[in-house]
Amino acid sequence: SQTIHQWPATLVQPVGSPLSLECTVEGTSNPNLYWYRQAAGRGLQLLFYSVGIGQISSEVPQNLSASRPQDRQFILSSKKLLLSDSGFYLCAWSEETGPYEQYFGPGTRLTVT
Amino acid sequence: AQSVTQLDSHVSVSEGTPVLLRCNYSSSYSPSLFWYVQHPNKGLQLLLKYTSAATLVKGINGFEAEFKKSETSFHLTKPSAHMSDAAEYFCVVSKGGKLIFGQGTELSVKP
Repeated sequence: SQTIHQWPATLVQPVGSPLSLECTVEGTSNPNLYWYRQAAGRGLQLLFYSVGIGQISSEVPQNLSASRPQDRQFILSSKKLLLSDSGFYLCAWSEETGPYEQYFGPGTRLTVT
Repeated sequence: AQSVTQLDSHVSVSEGTPVLLRCNYSSSYSPSLFWYVQHPNKGLQLLLKYTSAATLVKGINGFEAEFKKSETSFHLTKPSAHMSDAAEYFCVVSKGGKLIFGQGTELSVKP
């Protein structure tokens, strides 16, 4: 069966510091991968998605970037965090063909101070 | 364009009573629709999915949803609420490999 991992679970970082969140998927090949952010009391915002190694699409201009160095690894980064980057970050995967239901990781709670 | 509207931002029920969470969709073709549940500080869990097969879809934990094309609805129901059902619920439509989320319905369950 497939499993998705995210780490760390929680993170407190000062403004201006770098960020690296990692997501890995087990038990499937060539998945579509997604990064979402969920602000407090709000819905999910798609940040990035990837259909293959090195293929990243950005949904929203922002202070973040994503990379996919391996088939089942997806990394969310920032060079300098802003207060507005605080939130709950979720990684998800789907099969490369439809109907594209997504399976989510446990999330990372990021607080920028 | 595909979109979903969750008609209630908050629903409160008593334990043991039925649950109804309402969702209307907009789609230019036969959609793929999903319901997800999110407990506090957790990731989203897929409850059920509709993909143009049976219009009544059964999911996990006793939930089910009925796809009604004439009403463009995909309401989520459960015959008897349990305390553990208290969570945020999202109605979702698939669009070209991406998911379009509703704003969510918070379900409260009173003892």
